[in-house]
Amino acid sequence: DIQVTQSPSSLSASVGDRVTITCRASQSIANSLNWYQQKLGKAPNLLIYAASSLQSGVPSRFRGSASGTNFTLTISSLLPEDFATYYCQESYSMSNTFGQGTKLEIK
Amino acid sequence: EVQLVESGGGLVQPGGSLRLSCAASGFILSDHYVDWVRQAPGKGLEWVGRSRNKANSYTTKYAASVKGRFSILRDDSKNSLYLQMNSLKTEDTAVYFCTRDPGDWYFDLWGRGTLVTVSS
Repeated sequence: DIQVTQSPSSLSASVGDRVTITCRASQSIANSLNWYQQKLGKAPNLLIYAASSLQSGVPSRFRGSASGTNFTLTISSLLPEDFATYYCQESYSMSNTFGQGTKLEIK
Repeated sequence: EVQLVESGGGLVQPGGSLRLSCAASGFILSDHYVDWVRQAPGKGLEWVGRSRNKANSYTTKYAASVKGRFSILRDDSKNSLYLQMNSLKTEDTAVYFCTRDPGDWYFDLWGRGTLVTVSS
């Protein structure tokens, strides 16, 4: 099975900060990595698909990138509504494994 | 409005059965792949299963953890889909989300979820 290791598990930042969240796959998954945002008590919301494609309606401050088996979600300038939990998901294997999540909190 | 709405969750004893519903509005569900994803209380996300669209004969795939116990069914007349869950275990306790899948194994539309609690 493909393992996906997401880091950090939590992150404190301020409005206006640039933050980066990383997911590392245990083997090559091409560009089959997606990112979601989940606010407390709500369903997840797709941000990025295929490593770097911005989902329609998602602000451009969210950016996805890939280098080998390392994938990065960058939020260029945090807004108050960005404080949430973020998950990556590999879509290369039948397991569709999600990362463990990164809780982004206000400093 | 384009949306998915789940229903049917509740409390069930171990070994019992439950059927969750997922109703679509604003689009034709039979044209789309649909996946179920669950989230145990305070935990992360886990893919449960998938139903391909009508053009692909509604073929299904399941996670190893539910294979043989869960099945996904469709009712085109109601623009709906169902997750039939049998032989439930305590570890199946979770919020179950119905999601739309463009066919590339990511989920671009989610319902609000329905809570299933398996406990004696």
